[in-house]
Formats: sequence, C-alpha cells, structure tokens
Amino acid sequence: KAGVTQTPRYLIKTRGQQVTLSCSPISGHRSVSWYQQTPGQGLQFLFEYFSETQRNKGNFPGRFSGRQFSNSRSEMNVSTLELGDSALYLCASSPEDPGGETQYFGPGTRLLVL
Amino acid sequence: QKEVEQNSGPLSVPEGAIASLNCTYSDRVSQSFFWYRQYSGKSPELIMSIYSNGDKEDGRFTAQLNKASQYVSLLIRDSQPSDSATYLCAVEDGGATNKLIFGTGTLLAVQP
Repeated sequence: KAGVTQTPRYLIKTRGQQVTLSCSPISGHRSVSWYQQTPGQGLQFLFEYFSETQRNKGNFPGRFSGRQFSNSRSEMNVSTLELGDSALYLCASSPEDPGGETQYFGPGTRLLVL
Repeated sequence: QKEVEQNSGPLSVPEGAIASLNCTYSDRVSQSFFWYRQYSGKSPELIMSIYSNGDKEDGRFTAQLNKASQYVSLLIRDSQPSDSATYLCAVEDGGATNKLIFGTGTLLAVQP
C-alpha cells in the first residue's frame, strides 16, 4: 500500500498570506490527524477528521482550519500567517476504528513564513 | 493538562550496547502507547505500539508498559549507529479519538 502523501513538501510564504496544505491518507484509512512540529514546542495536535467530521481539535487559534473530503483526503488551511507558524506540518492517518489506533505519518510539509 | 515526559538527552551509547529510553505520562485513562523514531529532517516512523502491561518484543526492540506507575520504556538491543535518532513517546488522549500526546523526544546517539 502506498503511504500517506502530503503536498506540497516545502512552502515559503510571507506574513499575512494564507496557505492550504493537502494530505492523502493510506488507502482505506478514514481518520486523518494534523500535527504541527516546531523545535520549541515539539509535536502539537491540531485536529482530527473522521468521515468528513472534525472529531477533535487542539489548542490553536481559529486561523487554523481543516476539512476532509468524501475520499478521506484532507486539507488544512492557515490564514493570516505569522512568523511563528513556521513549522513542519505533519498529517497522520489511521484505520477505520476510532480510538487508540496506530497512526502513520506522511513526510510533512515544511512551511517557512518570512 | 495531560503531559508526556521524556528526558531530552542526548543519550549516548556505544555500538552493540543496550539503549534504554523512558517515558512517563500523566493521564491514567490512556490505554494506547507508541514509540516513534524520527531522523533529522524526516517525519516520525512508528517503531512499536503497546496496549497491555508487560513487555512486547519486536526484533531488537522491546517496549515495556507499567500502567500503575504510568511508565513506558523502549529498549534497543545491539544498538547500531543507524539507530541514532530522536525517539518520541506518544500516548493516546483517551476517548473515541486518535489524538496523540507526544513527549519532546529523546535524542539517541550510538557511537561506533
């Protein structure tokens, strides 16, 4: 099976712009989670989608949003970018059953905000 | 706030030795525990998952779980230079969700 794919892999934006990141989960996986990784904060949970519904949300401002499509692909959007949004954004997918399932990470999108 | 604690290291071990990585967590409700390995500039890669008290072995890796002490560990036997990476402990948040809470990771350096 192909793994989790994320596009784009690298992105450079300026403050105030917005960005959309895409994630395609492993075939058959219906749960997609997003994480932000920075040197200072480590891996922080952004949100999780299951069957097109947001099931959980982390402690991030409303500028961070996401959605999931019927084919389980997911996008996350960050509006009004700030310098502190520079990070590695990771998408992880899990099989159907919710709760405690193993998550498999994609390669990530590295975002640099100037 | 639920927390996962790891020693940031670096933990330096000679090639062929046993590396022992430790993790404690705050939420007694958690039932699922994971170890991920992350090479510099790469994404986390799953090494082990463990759900029950005791030991779980997979090749050179052994995960140990003690729910009473809220403690998870990872042993790497016959450590190789290629094992040099950051090891992340992750704990499921609980409930009908796949949210994971991560520790800050332990940097392991295996010396040839």
